Amino acid sequence: AQSVSQHNHHVILSEAASLELGCNYSYGGTVNLFWYVQYPGQHLQLLLKYFSGDPLVKGIKGFEAEFIKSKFSFNLRKPSVQWSDTAEYFCAVNRAGGFKTIFGAGTRLFVKA
Amino acid sequence: EPEVTQTPSHQVTQMGQEVILRCVPISNHLYFYWYRQILGQKVEFLVSFYNNEISEKSEIFDDQFSVERPDGSNFTLKIRSTKLEDSAMYFCASSVRLAPPNNEQFFGPGTRLTVL
Repeated sequence: AQSVSQHNHHVILSEAASLELGCNYSYGGTVNLFWYVQYPGQHLQLLLKYFSGDPLVKGIKGFEAEFIKSKFSFNLRKPSVQWSDTAEYFCAVNRAGGFKTIFGAGTRLFVKA
Repeated sequence: EPEVTQTPSHQVTQMGQEVILRCVPISNHLYFYWYRQILGQKVEFLVSFYNNEISEKSEIFDDQFSVERPDGSNFTLKIRSTKLEDSAMYFCASSVRLAPPNNEQFFGPGTRLTVL
């Protein structure tokens, strides 16, 4: 069965620190990968996605993620976080052409000003 | 920018009562979904709906649940006889297609269901 693991449940960083959130998935076939963000009091928004091509994908607000197929990983990075990046981040995967999206448990990021 | 909307934002009901959660997907989208998130747990897939029928459902989506697209804009989730464990945030989502590149799901703000 498909599953998604996010390694960190809570992360606290100071502004300007670099961020890397880990995500591993289990599925043997072709997948589409996503990172969603949920800011306090708001709904899930897409940060970035990967479906094929360049394994390094860039999203909104300076975020990027790297797909490493051999490691079944899709880690999210940002070189310098801001206080406004405080949010919960969800890694998600679906089977190419599939309906169901499987979410990780989420990582709560708190950025200290 | 078009967005998915959901009503109500918060629903409180007594155990055993029926509830209907409403969603208006993005207008040109063809695929519709319901997910739920019990407090402190993962977002879980419930059901997907395409071409006026269920295309996939999870084991959570038992006979107590049903979905409907009663008109050209609304997409509803009905829980016939609510249980305490149905208390959760319910998210509606829609997508324009299944295949990439534009296959991401757009989520609504959620309805918080509280069953007493």
